[in-house]
Amino acid sequence: GAVVSQHPSRVICKSGTSVKIECRSLDFQATTMFWYRQFPKQSLMLMATSNEGSKATYEQGVEKDKFLINHASLTLSTLTVTSAHPEDSSFYICSARVSPSYNEQFFGPGTRLTVL
Amino acid sequence: AQSVTQPDIHITVSEGASLELRCNYSYGATPYLFWYVQSPGQGLQLLLKYFSGDTLVQGIKGFEAEFKRSQSSFNLRKPSVHWSDAAEYFCAVGENRDDKIIFGKGTRLHILP
Repeated sequence: GAVVSQHPSRVICKSGTSVKIECRSLDFQATTMFWYRQFPKQSLMLMATSNEGSKATYEQGVEKDKFLINHASLTLSTLTVTSAHPEDSSFYICSARVSPSYNEQFFGPGTRLTVL
Repeated sequence: AQSVTQPDIHITVSEGASLELRCNYSYGATPYLFWYVQSPGQGLQLLLKYFSGDTLVQGIKGFEAEFKRSQSSFNLRKPSVHWSDAAEYFCAVGENRDDKIIFGKGTRLHILP
């Protein structure tokens, strides 16, 4: 159980376009989902925390207008990278948590974004 | 602010040998500590976690970790590694049970046949 999927697994886009990444909890309802960014050979950097039905909470330095997060249901969160540029190329990972009292995050396999 | 340090970027051990991956944290109170493993093409998987109680924590895949408050450490150990253990290992710390968690930079484990 506790499977999280991400779609797409890889995406290549042109500079200036927008890209949407989906994160789904397949067999449980996630009250909270997290979005991370991972640079090559580096750690995961938390970008934002989203609770179902609420606005996402962004970490310092993350542009909320560039990285739009929507958590419309208990099983789906989306990250849209707007007007993507080559510096946005990275590995984006989502995670989902069942409830605060059980603080284990289940991670998706990640999405590799390449902006040309 | 809380932080996590994994001093070893790469570690190489022979198959069957014992393993210890180091993790040090910086936080005033008792932290919530985690070890995750990341294999290529797969999501991060939780190996074990420490919230309170017994300072020696048993996890999956034969891993264990020991919380040492005096050393601000939470080192991961395995008595005998297998080739399938080759992966990236991340130590992480959370301030509260329901708070975000901060990841260390990771340690890449290489296994020699």
